[in-house]
Order: sequence, then structure tokens, then C-alpha cells
Amino acid sequence: DAGVTQSPTHLIKTRGQQVTLRCSPKSGHDTVSWYQQALGQGPQFIFQYYEEEERQRGNFPDRFSGHQFPNYSSELNVNALLLGDSALYLCASSLRTANQPQHFGDGTRLSIL
Amino acid sequence: QKEVEQDPGPLSVPEGAIVSLNCTYSNSAFQYFMWYRQYSRKGPELLMYTYSSGNKEDGRFTAQVDKSSKYISLFIRDSQPSDSATYLCATPHYNQGGKLIFGQGTELSVKP
Repeated sequence: DAGVTQSPTHLIKTRGQQVTLRCSPKSGHDTVSWYQQALGQGPQFIFQYYEEEERQRGNFPDRFSGHQFPNYSSELNVNALLLGDSALYLCASSLRTANQPQHFGDGTRLSIL
Repeated sequence: QKEVEQDPGPLSVPEGAIVSLNCTYSNSAFQYFMWYRQYSRKGPELLMYTYSSGNKEDGRFTAQVDKSSKYISLFIRDSQPSDSATYLCATPHYNQGGKLIFGQGTELSVKP
């Protein structure tokens, strides 16, 4: 039973560029959430998708956008990259039912030069 | 004030010791609590998921919730070097249930 998978594992970009990160949820899960984790900090919630729509959003600018596909996989897009966007980006999947535990992938480490 | 606070450590213990990891939270509306373990260069792995006050045990791990004090704990018995990781406490936001709020994480090192 495959868990949450994310690609790529590591990415290097320069300021001003755009990036797309990808996530496949755990089998049977229909909800995907994205988090940003800075070094030495806990993950910070970016947004959550189910039924192909953004349902909840954290305190992140509009440069951060996403998409969910009919097969429940998801993408995170970040435009106009800043040095401060360097972090580990984590995808978590769960069932839509309230307060279900979220299961995380191993993340994409994004480095901005 | 942060909604969930956790001492970042680092915490170093000898193999076989009992480890106590703790978090406090600010809002009594938070009802569910989780502990995640995160190894270096890996994503968080769900260890424990609790709702009510009291204890929940799973093997060498015990999660404890004290809602009157807004205090949650994770105890690890007979700690092993393989327990060396960062431990994160988390709770779903009370009116944004999909948003997990994490503590900073406590880095634990178990020495052989």
C-alpha cells in the first residue's frame, strides 16, 4: 500500500522563477494538504484541497497556488520565488471526514539561490 | 502567544531511559492531539492520535492529555537509539479542521 509520494525530492531555483511540486495521496485518501517547513520549525499550513477545490487556506500570499486533479493528486505552484521560500514542502493526505489524521510524504526540499 | 508551544531541545538521554516530551496549547477549543516523529530528511510520521483527556498507550509510547492545564505529553519507555528524531505535537484548528497547528518540535538524541 503506497503512502504519500512527492516529486521531485530536491529542487534548486533562482529568485523570481516559478516552481511546481507534485503529490500523490495515500491510496483511499481524497484530501490533500500542503505545508511549508523551515529549518528547525514545525510545518506551517498552506492550504487544503478536496473535490478539486481549495477549501481552507493558511496565511500565505497569492503567489502560492494549487490544484487537485480528479485522481486526487495535487500540485503546489509558487510564483516569483523569494529567498525566504527556501524550505521543505510537505504534502499530507487524509479522508475528508473532519479531524481525520493526516499522513505525510517525505517532502520536496526547495532551495532558492 | 503561539497556539502550540514546544521546547525545541535538543534533548539527549542514555539508551533505556524514559523520555518525556511536552507541549502546551493556548485555546481550550482544541480537542484532538497528535504526535509525529520526523527523522532527518524525512516527512513527519504519525505516532499517536488522541481525543479525550487521559492516557493512550501504544507499545513503548504513551500519550497523555490534560485539558484542564492545556498540556500534552508523550512518554517513551526503554528508549532506543532508533528513537533519535524530532518529535512534533500537533492539533487541528478548532474551526479549520484541515489545518494542523504544529509545535516547533523537540530534537531527541538517544545515546547507546
